[in-house]
Amino acid sequence: DQQVKQNSPSLSVQEGRISILNCDYTNSMFDYFLWYKKYPAEGPTFLISISSIKDKNEDGRFTVFLNKSAKHLSLHIVPSQPGDSAVYFCAASARSGGGADGLTFGKGTHLIIQP
Amino acid sequence: EAQVTQNPRYLITVTGKKLTVTCSQNMNHEYMSWYRQDPGLGLRQIYYSMNVEVTDKGDVPEGYKVSRKEKRNFPLILESPSPNQTSLYFCASSKQGALNSPLHFGNGTRLTVT
Repeated sequence: DQQVKQNSPSLSVQEGRISILNCDYTNSMFDYFLWYKKYPAEGPTFLISISSIKDKNEDGRFTVFLNKSAKHLSLHIVPSQPGDSAVYFCAASARSGGGADGLTFGKGTHLIIQP
Repeated sequence: EAQVTQNPRYLITVTGKKLTVTCSQNMNHEYMSWYRQDPGLGLRQIYYSMNVEVTDKGDVPEGYKVSRKEKRNFPLILESPSPNQTSLYFCASSKQGALNSPLHFGNGTRLTVT
């Protein structure tokens, strides 16, 4: 049972436009969400996070939105740049729920920025 | 430079031949973890360690061992590798537990078991 779902394996966006990457989750205990970015031949790097007490968090060109009722979050990148071409992983955890101390990752979305 | 270093980057081995993938971090992080990445499955946690001499199973621990004798090192041991352990492996660390601070990942070890 996949608890974190990224239903788009790939997304192509024109340079300068907005990129929107989506993520859905099923576990209502998740209360902390993160986005990681991964280039080929490198490990994932942390991009931005959001706690469930917020519905928006912004860092420069990156904004994450959280809709708890829909169990949905999205990452907006504005404007998109060629260096944003990478695989983006959504991850979630239940900080207050105990259990194994780990993040549950989605399968990733490959973002391609077209010149 | 703050980093997580894994070795080797690439490894081809045969079924049953014991191997160790090393992981070292220079950030004095308490928390370390191993993940494997497989096509269509994303990143799955194998083992994690909250501090020295404290290790625990993640989601897919079968066939793996770890140890945490020192804060900076967290080797992944495959006592008897099998072809289904062919994968891309990532070591990660963070200042506190994975739930409270972002993970820093190494560059990965691509393992092929024939």
